[in-house]
Amino acid sequence: GAVVSQHPSWVICKSGTSVKIECRSLDFQATTMFWYRQFPKQSLMLMATSNEGSKATYEQGVEKDKFLINHASLTLSTLTVTSAHPEDSSFYICSADTGGFTEAFFGQGTRLTVV
Amino acid sequence: GESVGLHLPTLSVQEGDNSIINCAYSNSASDYFIWYKQESGKGPQFIIDIRSNMDKRQGQRVTVLLNKTVKHLSLQIAATQPGDSAVYFCAEETDNQGGKLIFGQGTELSVKP
Repeated sequence: GAVVSQHPSWVICKSGTSVKIECRSLDFQATTMFWYRQFPKQSLMLMATSNEGSKATYEQGVEKDKFLINHASLTLSTLTVTSAHPEDSSFYICSADTGGFTEAFFGQGTRLTVV
Repeated sequence: GESVGLHLPTLSVQEGDNSIINCAYSNSASDYFIWYKQESGKGPQFIIDIRSNMDKRQGQRVTVLLNKTVKHLSLQIAATQPGDSAVYFCAEETDNQGGKLIFGQGTELSVKP
């Protein structure tokens, strides 16, 4: 199957700072990637759709100015959590639409802790 | 709104028994469903999928059943093993966009040796 890699796997940051999370498709090109957020003991919630070369599409209730998404190449999408606060602490997971395969492939996730 | 939900939040089974995890979905227009396994601290791992033109699909030790009449999906795991312990999510593809998914609440499967 296709491989999607996230970096970092975990990060701790101070309140008020910004954090960037990378999502890479290692062996295929992805024009579309997706960002999800998962709180403890809860399900994955779609945050936004990342489109290569164009603006991301955000789900209702997700602040686009707080969660900046950049998809500058066919193998990389980044999510930047700006002015992070403790309530932003969560598990962030990306997935990529492979095009050829039917199912989406997920990265290993990034655990963000804001202190 | 659209949602995909599960009936059982936790399931405990004995090693070697069969496991059944259920899921209800609300969007009758959905035509693609996936089951994922998620181990602690990791991303979801694809298990099996099914399209709405099918009622049943089998994989290795796993079977997915789809009942469109009542909008119900189930995952059956045969001869459950300790390594099957994880949280299982059903997901529904939305907007006919590959990879854009709505996830159910999840069922935590615990396998007792």
